[in-house]
Amino acid sequence: SYVLTQPPSVSVAPGKTARITCGGNNIGSKSVHWYQQKPGQAPVLVIYYDSDRPSGIPERFSGSNSGNTATLTISRVEAGDEADYYCQVWDSSSDPHYVFGTGTKVTVL
Amino acid sequence: EVQLVESGGGLVKPGGSLRLSCAASGFTFSSYSMNWVRQAPGKGLEWVSSISSSSSYIYYADSVKGRFTISRDNAKNSLYLQMNSLRAEDTAVYYCARGVVVAATHWFDPWGQGTLVTVSS
Repeated sequence: SYVLTQPPSVSVAPGKTARITCGGNNIGSKSVHWYQQKPGQAPVLVIYYDSDRPSGIPERFSGSNSGNTATLTISRVEAGDEADYYCQVWDSSSDPHYVFGTGTKVTVL
Repeated sequence: EVQLVESGGGLVKPGGSLRLSCAASGFTFSSYSMNWVRQAPGKGLEWVSSISSSSSYIYYADSVKGRFTISRDNAKNSLYLQMNSLRAEDTAVYYCARGVVVAATHWFDPWGQGTLVTVSS
């Protein structure tokens, strides 16, 4: 089955840029979606269709996808961005299913 | 405002059964696919099951196939997950999530707050 690999953790200073990668075989041929999950809360969609932002999500959140890696970029990081982030794709193989990445904990220093 | 509220979680013994419910409001429930996603304590997200708007298409993760059954009642704006033959590894917070289907891709938005299922003797 399709596997999405993320780094377990990313640390970033306030005001700097955090980049979270999501690796998968030829992931550039799929659409990638990203979720933010703060402790004790449900996940929230922050990026869909590789790079689109839902209403209410700050412009500081952006996404890209090419080759074997998709990336979520958080610019001008704030303390409130500290959370777990998950990538997700839809695998439309003979047995269709959703796949989540392993998750990345973003720590704001 | 779109709202999803899960219920039905609790403590159950291994081999037991439980039925989760998700009450939807604030949108046309019958127009959307719906999903269950779970998260074991301290672990990542795991997709469990999906059902299309008219129940024509139903999918399950291999880990629950044959044990769990997803269903919906569009007249009651409700989603269900019947869980049988429960195992310790099914212990998790179970989230209900609305599915968004566009062209060849699908995503989840929004999510409910979740209901905790604990399988233990």
